Amino acid sequence: DAKTTQPNSMESNEEEPVHLPCNHSTISGTDYIHWYRQLPSQGPEYVIHGLTSNVNNRMASLAIAEDRKSSTLILHRATLRDAAVYYCILRDSAGANNLFFGTGTRLTVIP
Amino acid sequence: ETGVTQTPRHLVMGMTNKKSLKCEQHLGHNAMYWYKQSAKKPLELMFVYSLEERVENNSVPSRFSPECPNSSHLFLHLHTLQPEDSALYLCASSQWVSELGYGYTFGSGTRLTVV
Repeated sequence: DAKTTQPNSMESNEEEPVHLPCNHSTISGTDYIHWYRQLPSQGPEYVIHGLTSNVNNRMASLAIAEDRKSSTLILHRATLRDAAVYYCILRDSAGANNLFFGTGTRLTVIP
Repeated sequence: ETGVTQTPRHLVMGMTNKKSLKCEQHLGHNAMYWYKQSAKKPLELMFVYSLEERVENNSVPSRFSPECPNSSHLFLHLHTLQPEDSALYLCASSQWVSELGYGYTFGSGTRLTVV
């Protein structure tokens, strides 16, 4: 699986938007971009995924660069419950079905 | 009950003990996974089961022995563990399909301490 690069940590004020970046310069044409987050003392949870087009769901939005070498997870209004480690993961549709995690970005939300 | 349930939530065991971790999913998924999360390290994929067949074993020591009796249940049998095996053990399930848009659902994990 291609590698992703994320900042180790970020901070955001409560009720402000948060933009979490992810670089994946070696992404292949068949790689999907997935985001998961892990709240304290819990297992990871699926957030969103995309291939080429921007995606929106009830949790977040995913903005994918035109060249697909980077993407940004957008939380429109951060709440204290959004404090978590956010993982950006590439999954090759032509390869194994496994999910491999990196170190992610630890998001701190300041009240 | 819905989702992925792991029991026990916490486990303390001696190095000579034998114990088992249990995972149950009520989502109708046909693939299940064991992950290990040690302090300050990324999640490590340990075992993968698809349609109750083990499809991957990522160089895990034999003191960890998985079992998948049916598509809803997954066990991790533990024996003669070492203190460095202390970690959060996470179970996940998913649909095993070529379209990778399906996400994984994780349990809350078992916090294992080996003394």
